[in-house]
Amino acid sequence: GESVGLHLPTLSVQEGDNSIINCAYSNSASDYFIWYKQESGKGPQFIIDIRSNMDKRQGQRVTVLLNKTVKHLSLQIAATQPGDSAVYFCAENPYNQGGKLIFGQGTELSVKP
Amino acid sequence: EPEVTQTPSHQVTQMGQEVILRCVPISNHLYFYWYRQILGQKVEFLVSFYNNEISEKSEIFDDQFSVERPDGSNFTLKIRSTKLEDSAMYFCASSDRGGGNTIYFGEGSWLTVV
Repeated sequence: GESVGLHLPTLSVQEGDNSIINCAYSNSASDYFIWYKQESGKGPQFIIDIRSNMDKRQGQRVTVLLNKTVKHLSLQIAATQPGDSAVYFCAENPYNQGGKLIFGQGTELSVKP
Repeated sequence: EPEVTQTPSHQVTQMGQEVILRCVPISNHLYFYWYRQILGQKVEFLVSFYNNEISEKSEIFDDQFSVERPDGSNFTLKIRSTKLEDSAMYFCASSDRGGGNTIYFGEGSWLTVV
Protein backbone atom coordinates (compact mmCIF):
# COMPACT_ATOMS: atom_id res chain seq x y z
CA GLY A 1 0.00 0.00 0.00
CA GLU A 2 0.96 3.65 0.04
CA SER A 3 3.45 4.66 2.68
CA VAL A 4 5.91 7.34 3.51
CA GLY A 5 8.40 6.38 6.15
CA LEU A 6 11.39 7.84 7.90
CA HIS A 7 14.66 6.05 8.47
CA LEU A 8 15.45 7.62 11.85
CA PRO A 9 12.87 8.42 14.52
CA THR A 10 15.23 10.71 16.48
CA LEU A 11 18.23 12.81 15.59
CA SER A 12 20.42 14.67 18.05
CA VAL A 13 22.91 17.26 16.78
CA GLN A 14 25.17 19.90 18.22
CA GLU A 15 24.26 23.53 17.67
CA GLY A 16 26.01 24.80 14.58
CA ASP A 17 26.28 21.39 12.95
CA ASN A 18 24.40 20.42 9.82
CA SER A 19 21.40 18.09 10.12
CA ILE A 20 20.17 15.59 7.58
CA ILE A 21 16.71 14.07 7.92
CA ASN A 22 15.76 11.25 5.57
CA CYS A 23 12.49 9.97 4.20
CA ALA A 24 11.51 7.07 1.98
CA TYR A 25 8.34 7.08 -0.05
CA SER A 26 6.70 4.22 -1.88
CA ASN A 27 4.20 5.82 -4.26
CA SER A 28 5.99 6.33 -7.56
CA ALA A 29 2.98 8.35 -8.76
CA SER A 30 3.75 11.13 -6.29
CA ASP A 31 4.92 14.28 -8.01
CA TYR A 32 5.10 16.82 -5.21
CA PHE A 33 6.80 16.62 -1.84
CA ILE A 34 6.78 18.87 1.20
CA TRP A 35 8.76 19.04 4.42
CA TYR A 36 6.92 20.27 7.48
CA LYS A 37 8.20 21.21 10.92
CA GLN A 38 5.96 20.55 13.90
CA GLU A 39 6.67 22.00 17.32
CA SER A 40 4.98 20.57 20.36
CA GLY A 41 1.26 21.37 20.43
CA LYS A 42 1.32 23.22 17.13
CA GLY A 43 0.31 22.55 13.57
CA PRO A 44 2.66 21.48 10.77
CA GLN A 45 4.65 24.46 9.50
CA PHE A 46 5.72 24.52 5.86
CA ILE A 47 9.49 24.47 5.37
CA ILE A 48 10.22 23.67 1.76
CA ASP A 49 8.76 21.76 -1.16
CA ILE A 50 10.00 20.12 -4.33
CA ARG A 51 8.39 18.84 -7.50
CA SER A 52 9.29 15.56 -9.14
CA ASN A 53 10.91 17.29 -12.12
CA MET A 54 13.64 18.60 -9.79
CA ASP A 55 16.26 16.82 -7.71
CA LYS A 56 17.34 19.67 -5.48
CA ARG A 57 15.87 22.83 -4.10
CA GLN A 58 17.37 25.31 -1.69
CA GLY A 59 15.80 27.67 0.77
CA GLN A 60 17.14 29.69 3.62
CA ARG A 61 19.44 27.29 5.53
CA VAL A 62 17.46 24.31 4.19
CA THR A 63 17.93 22.11 1.16
CA VAL A 64 15.69 19.32 -0.05
CA LEU A 65 17.07 16.53 -2.21
CA LEU A 66 14.89 14.16 -4.19
CA ASN A 67 16.11 10.86 -5.60
CA LYS A 68 13.30 9.36 -7.63
CA THR A 69 15.31 6.30 -8.58
CA VAL A 70 15.31 5.04 -5.01
CA LYS A 71 12.26 7.02 -3.87
CA HIS A 72 14.21 8.95 -1.27
CA LEU A 73 13.81 12.46 0.06
CA SER A 74 16.08 14.31 2.44
CA LEU A 75 16.07 17.59 4.30
CA GLN A 76 19.35 19.26 5.09
CA ILE A 77 19.47 22.01 7.68
CA ALA A 78 22.64 24.08 7.74
CA ALA A 79 24.06 25.48 10.98
CA THR A 80 21.34 23.91 13.09
CA GLN A 81 20.01 26.15 15.86
CA PRO A 82 18.13 25.34 19.09
CA GLY A 83 15.00 26.79 17.47
CA ASP A 84 15.17 24.02 14.88
CA SER A 85 14.32 21.45 17.54
CA ALA A 86 11.02 19.91 16.48
CA VAL A 87 9.51 16.92 14.71
CA TYR A 88 10.03 16.97 10.97
CA PHE A 89 7.60 15.28 8.59
CA CYS A 90 7.93 14.60 4.93
CA ALA A 91 4.70 14.43 2.96
CA GLU A 92 3.96 13.31 -0.57
CA ASN A 93 1.17 14.39 -2.86
CA PRO A 94 0.17 11.63 -5.29
CA TYR A 95 -0.55 12.81 -8.79
CA ASN A 96 -4.23 13.42 -9.47
CA GLN A 97 -5.25 13.21 -5.82
CA GLY A 98 -5.73 16.91 -5.32
CA GLY A 99 -4.38 18.19 -2.03
CA LYS A 100 -4.24 14.81 -0.32
CA LEU A 101 -0.92 14.56 1.46
CA ILE A 102 0.50 11.30 2.76
CA PHE A 103 2.68 11.99 5.77
CA GLY A 104 5.60 10.04 7.10
CA GLN A 105 6.00 9.09 10.76
CA GLY A 106 8.24 12.03 11.64
CA THR A 107 11.77 12.50 12.91
CA GLU A 108 12.41 14.32 16.15
CA LEU A 109 15.36 16.67 15.86
CA SER A 110 17.03 17.67 19.10
CA VAL A 111 19.65 20.41 19.01
CA LYS A 112 22.13 20.52 21.87
CA PRO A 113 23.57 23.94 22.78
CA GLU B 1 1.34 36.69 7.44
CA PRO B 2 -2.04 35.09 6.61
CA GLU B 3 -2.83 32.02 8.63
CA VAL B 4 -5.42 29.31 9.11
CA THR B 5 -7.23 29.74 12.42
CA GLN B 6 -9.09 27.05 14.31
CA THR B 7 -11.49 26.95 17.23
CA PRO B 8 -11.71 25.57 19.81
CA SER B 9 -8.10 24.84 20.65
CA HIS B 10 -9.21 22.07 22.98
CA GLN B 11 -12.56 20.36 23.50
CA VAL B 12 -13.56 17.59 25.84
CA THR B 13 -16.73 15.74 24.96
CA GLN B 14 -18.60 12.68 26.10
CA MET B 15 -18.78 9.62 23.89
CA GLY B 16 -21.82 9.78 21.63
CA GLN B 17 -22.01 13.56 21.59
CA GLU B 18 -21.79 15.68 18.46
CA VAL B 19 -18.80 17.93 17.98
CA ILE B 20 -18.22 20.75 15.52
CA LEU B 21 -14.71 21.98 14.88
CA ARG B 22 -14.37 25.32 13.18
CA CYS B 23 -11.80 26.77 10.85
CA VAL B 24 -11.19 30.01 9.03
CA PRO B 25 -8.94 29.24 6.05
CA ILE B 26 -6.61 31.78 4.49
CA SER B 27 -8.85 34.32 2.81
CA ASN B 28 -7.93 33.90 -0.88
CA HIS B 29 -7.65 30.11 -0.71
CA LEU B 30 -10.12 27.90 -2.53
CA TYR B 31 -9.17 24.41 -1.36
CA PHE B 32 -9.80 23.28 2.17
CA TYR B 33 -8.79 20.19 4.10
CA TRP B 34 -9.11 18.38 7.37
CA TYR B 35 -6.36 16.16 8.72
CA ARG B 36 -6.03 14.48 12.08
CA GLN B 37 -3.17 13.31 14.24
CA ILE B 38 -3.66 10.76 16.97
CA LEU B 39 -1.21 11.34 19.81
CA GLY B 40 2.25 10.13 18.87
CA GLN B 41 1.25 9.15 15.35
CA LYS B 42 1.59 10.68 11.93
CA VAL B 43 -0.75 13.20 10.40
CA GLU B 44 -3.56 11.53 8.42
CA PHE B 45 -5.67 12.95 5.60
CA LEU B 46 -9.41 13.05 6.20
CA VAL B 47 -11.04 15.09 3.47
CA SER B 48 -10.54 17.78 0.85
CA PHE B 49 -13.18 20.29 -0.18
CA TYR B 50 -13.43 22.52 -3.24
CA ASN B 51 -16.23 24.43 -4.91
CA ASN B 52 -18.65 23.49 -2.12
CA GLU B 53 -18.20 19.78 -2.41
CA ILE B 54 -15.93 17.01 -1.20
CA SER B 55 -13.23 16.23 -3.75
CA GLU B 56 -11.35 13.49 -1.90
CA LYS B 57 -11.92 11.59 1.33
CA SER B 58 -10.12 8.85 3.16
CA GLU B 59 -11.49 5.66 4.63
CA ILE B 60 -11.39 7.34 8.03
CA PHE B 61 -13.97 9.87 6.86
CA ASP B 62 -17.04 7.70 7.29
CA ASP B 63 -20.72 8.61 7.71
CA GLN B 64 -20.06 10.01 11.17
CA PHE B 65 -18.07 12.85 9.64
CA SER B 66 -19.28 15.75 7.56
CA VAL B 67 -17.87 19.05 6.37
CA GLU B 68 -19.53 22.30 5.51
CA ARG B 69 -18.68 25.79 4.37
CA PRO B 70 -21.63 27.63 5.90
CA ASP B 71 -20.53 31.07 4.74
CA GLY B 72 -17.72 32.77 2.87
CA SER B 73 -15.13 32.38 5.58
CA ASN B 74 -15.76 29.36 7.79
CA PHE B 75 -15.12 25.67 7.15
CA THR B 76 -16.38 23.15 9.68
CA LEU B 77 -15.89 19.50 10.55
CA LYS B 78 -18.75 17.76 12.32
CA ILE B 79 -18.51 14.44 14.09
CA ARG B 80 -22.05 13.23 14.73
CA SER B 81 -21.56 10.67 17.46
CA THR B 82 -18.07 10.73 18.86
CA LYS B 83 -16.17 7.59 19.79
CA LEU B 84 -13.20 7.21 22.09
CA GLU B 85 -10.97 6.59 19.09
CA ASP B 86 -11.90 9.99 17.65
CA SER B 87 -9.65 11.57 20.28
CA ALA B 88 -6.96 13.32 18.27
CA MET B 89 -5.64 16.67 17.12
CA TYR B 90 -7.65 17.85 14.13
CA PHE B 91 -5.92 20.17 11.69
CA CYS B 92 -7.62 22.36 9.17
CA ALA B 93 -5.57 23.34 6.13
CA SER B 94 -6.01 25.35 2.97
CA SER B 95 -4.31 26.06 -0.34
CA ASP B 96 -4.91 28.53 -3.13
CA ARG B 97 -4.81 25.82 -5.76
CA GLY B 98 -5.23 22.09 -5.77
CA GLY B 99 -2.69 19.29 -5.92
CA GLY B 100 0.96 20.18 -6.18
CA ASN B 101 0.69 23.41 -4.26
CA THR B 102 1.61 24.46 -0.77
CA ILE B 103 -0.90 23.50 1.88
CA TYR B 104 -0.93 25.61 5.03
CA PHE B 105 -2.07 24.17 8.32
CA GLY B 106 -3.78 25.68 11.33
CA GLU B 107 -2.65 25.15 14.91
CA GLY B 108 -5.16 22.37 15.47
CA SER B 109 -8.11 21.54 17.68
CA TRP B 110 -7.40 18.94 20.29
CA LEU B 111 -10.43 16.70 20.80
CA THR B 112 -10.68 14.45 23.82
CA VAL B 113 -13.56 11.99 23.93
CA VAL B 114 -14.29 10.54 27.37
